[in-house]
Amino acid sequence: EVQLVESGGDLVQPGGSLRLSCAASGFTFSDHCMDWVRQAPGKGLEWVGRSRNKADRYTTEYAASVKGRFSISRDESKNSVYLQMNSLRSEDAAVYYCVRVARITHHSDCWGQGTLVTVSS
Amino acid sequence: DIQMTQSPSSLSASVGDRVTITCRASQGISNNLAWFQQKPGKPPKSLMYGVSNLQSGVPSKFSGGGSGTDFTLTISSLQPEDFATYYCQQYKTYPLTFGGGTKVETK
Repeated sequence: EVQLVESGGDLVQPGGSLRLSCAASGFTFSDHCMDWVRQAPGKGLEWVGRSRNKADRYTTEYAASVKGRFSISRDESKNSVYLQMNSLRSEDAAVYYCVRVARITHHSDCWGQGTLVTVSS
Repeated sequence: DIQMTQSPSSLSASVGDRVTITCRASQGISNNLAWFQQKPGKPPKSLMYGVSNLQSGVPSKFSGGGSGTDFTLTISSLQPEDFATYYCQQYKTYPLTFGGGTKVETK
């Protein structure tokens, strides 16, 4: 069974940093691109960024709203993907979802439960 | 960026109704269009991909259509478990973008 379990969400002050983790199981982690998608309270979905698969050397893409502040990395040995968030702003407050991208069709096929990030002084 | 516009933003329907949601892309996205269902307090769930392909385990009352820039999600006979918010997403080009959502409520 495919499982994605996020952790690391917390209350952080504006300008602060936070690292989110996503532990994956039930599939060959290195074969899949992995996305982070966020949802502000009461709002819609916003794609944050992607870590491509091992064949594409885990290269990354980011939304303009987070580029230069957020970074995505992976630890193959732990089957985990991370979202490092720096210079946090109030508008970054959201539930952050880890999402698996299907290997061949490239659509988002499996979502984690999400982890809540609150940005407030 | 490709803008995805869903309509309506909300609709009221009854059990047994046929419901259609529209999603329009600001430029052509070929068949790189997915639909998700989200219930309150839960993560989104993949429903369809490639415009008209059902995600494994999704019932056939859901169907998708369209091409180029205009797409639809249809629920053939609405059931109580289908009251939720639905999102479309294009995955042709970075940044990936979502529609604003359509909330399906009970009449």
